[in-house]
Amino acid sequence: EVQLLESGGGLVQPGRSLRLSCAASGFSFSNYGMSWVRQAPGKGLEWVSGIGRSGGRTYYGDSVKGRFTISRDNSKDTLDLQMNSLRADDTAVYYCVRNRGGGNFDYWGQGTLVTVSS
Amino acid sequence: EIVLTQSPGTLSLSPGERATLSCRASQSVTSSYLAWYQQKPGQAPRLLIYDASSRATGIPDRFSGSGSGTDFTLTITRLEPEDFAVYYCQQYGNSQWTFGQGTKVEIK
Repeated sequence: EVQLLESGGGLVQPGRSLRLSCAASGFSFSNYGMSWVRQAPGKGLEWVSGIGRSGGRTYYGDSVKGRFTISRDNSKDTLDLQMNSLRADDTAVYYCVRNRGGGNFDYWGQGTLVTVSS
Repeated sequence: EIVLTQSPGTLSLSPGERATLSCRASQSVTSSYLAWYQQKPGQAPRLLIYDASSRATGIPDRFSGSGSGTDFTLTITRLEPEDFAVYYCQQYGNSQWTFGQGTKVEIK
């Protein structure tokens, strides 16, 4: 069974940093691209960042470019998102998702809530 | 960036009725890269349709997707009580993924 388990969310002050992690299991992690998708409270879905199977290619949405860094460790089956210079509008549930291979996301974690507030 | 606009914002229907949801793109989308998701309150989204018209694993055949270019449609032929939820379209292109703003299907 495919499982994606996020961790690392919490309350953080504006301007500070936070690192999210996602532990993957139940599939060959290194064979799939991965992404982070977020959802602000009561709002829609926003793709945040993606990474290729080997980690050599990374992609970012305009709203987080230059502030967030995605990475993966295929030896540990983990995906990370380093979030710097956090702002109030980064407040959201962050989902770890598996890229099915056709530009869509076939498995989602349950999400971890990040709240940016003073 | 390709912008996806979904309509209507809210669809009020009764169980057993047909639901037709629209997703319009600001520029042409490769059909292979158009997907639909369902999200229920408190849950993560679930992939329903990929490649514009292919049902994901375990998705009932009352869900169908169609369209090409800039206009795509998700149809639910006979609404079941568990189908009342928010639906999002999503596209991929030029190493960027975007979602529509969502359509809520609510019980009338």
